[in-house]
This record gives sequence, C-alpha cells and structure tokens, in this order.
Amino acid sequence: SQQGEEDPQALSIQEGENATMNCSYKTSINNLQWYRQNSGRGLVHLILIRSNEREKHSGRLRVTLDTSKKSSSLLITASRAADTASYFCATTGGFKTIFGAGTRLFVKA
Amino acid sequence: DAGVTQSPTHLIKTRGQQVTLRCSPKSGHDTVSWYQQALGQGPQFIFQYYEEEERQRGNFPDRFSGHQFPNYSSELNVNALLLGDSALYLCASSSSTTAGFNQPQHFGDGTRLSIL
Repeated sequence: SQQGEEDPQALSIQEGENATMNCSYKTSINNLQWYRQNSGRGLVHLILIRSNEREKHSGRLRVTLDTSKKSSSLLITASRAADTASYFCATTGGFKTIFGAGTRLFVKA
Repeated sequence: DAGVTQSPTHLIKTRGQQVTLRCSPKSGHDTVSWYQQALGQGPQFIFQYYEEEERQRGNFPDRFSGHQFPNYSSELNVNALLLGDSALYLCASSSSTTAGFNQPQHFGDGTRLSIL
C-alpha cells in the first residue's frame, strides 16, 4: 500500500497563480522528497527535506514538513505552463522509497 | 554526463512469457532501484540493489527478480508474465555515502511493457 497520499488528486490553475499540493504519510521517515513527472517520462527529483528540517526553498519551490502531523506541502509560486505535470511525494524508511499516487497539476496559459 | 538509461523503451509480450529489462545508472552512482508504475498511479518499489546484492524488496512475487553487475548496471527479470504486469518500469540510481544511503534518486524514462 502507498504510504504517501497526495491531496488534491488534480489541480487546475491559471498561469501566474500559486499551486499548493499536500502529502500525508504514516510511519517515521528519514526524509521526504518531491518529484515531478511529465507525461510518459521518468521522475525528476525536485527537493529533499530531512526529518529534522521544517522548511526548504529551491527557486519557485517551497516545501514544508510537519513530522508531528506526518504531513508535507509543496508550493509552486508564479506557475508556468511548463509546470504542468504530475507531482509525487516520496518517503524513505530504510532503503525503501514509497511514492504516493500523485497530484496532477494543469497550468493553463 | 549520461543520466540513467533504460532499454528497451517499449516492449510487447504475451502472457506466460519472460522479459528482461536493462538499466545503466548515472555515472558515479552505485545503487539501483526498480519501480513499477501502473497508469495513473505512483511508482511502486520492487527492489533495490547495492554491491550486487538485493538489499530490500517491496511487495512483489518471486516472479520478479533482478541482478546487479560489477559496473553497477542492473537487470529486472519477470517470469510467467500476467496481464497485470503491464506497466511502466522505472529504474532509479543513487549514490551511497558514508553519511547515509537516503540520497535523491535519478530516474530513467522507463520501459513501457504491454502484455497481450
């Protein structure tokens, strides 16, 4: 079963708007990662946040982690049409990485 | 610097057949993980190879097996194929360090396997 669960399942916004995706997980983690997948392609690593970190930034991406609530959020600011993709959170425990079902983001030009 | 490469890109097989998928990790990476991704779903962890050994396995039957070679490349073998094995198979590589094994993974574009 999937440990990470993303919310919402799909999100449609206009170019320039911000997109927020949430992820919940069930067990203790070493780190949490966010990946992007364009249709028919492999996953691209976006950002990794360790269990002792609360917030991390990378360009237009902002990730938060709340280990007490076992949740994380990914914020994409000033979205672009090229941000249209599926976004997955992934948690790592031991050597196993578990992905959620993903949020499908559509950015309309 | 080549990233993760997978071959073939597409494959069509029939039920009961066997298939071998191949993966070359990113230069400098020594750890390879395999995932199965059904349409509209997230990747499901199959297993991870490190130092030519299967280090951890997900919830997949023994029909799924693998191998890692001394040059760190890897193969995924699936026997007695079922219709439900139709999926995108992704290979990911990472680098183990003395600081820990939980490094970001680099993915190939996958092999699309269709079972008729």
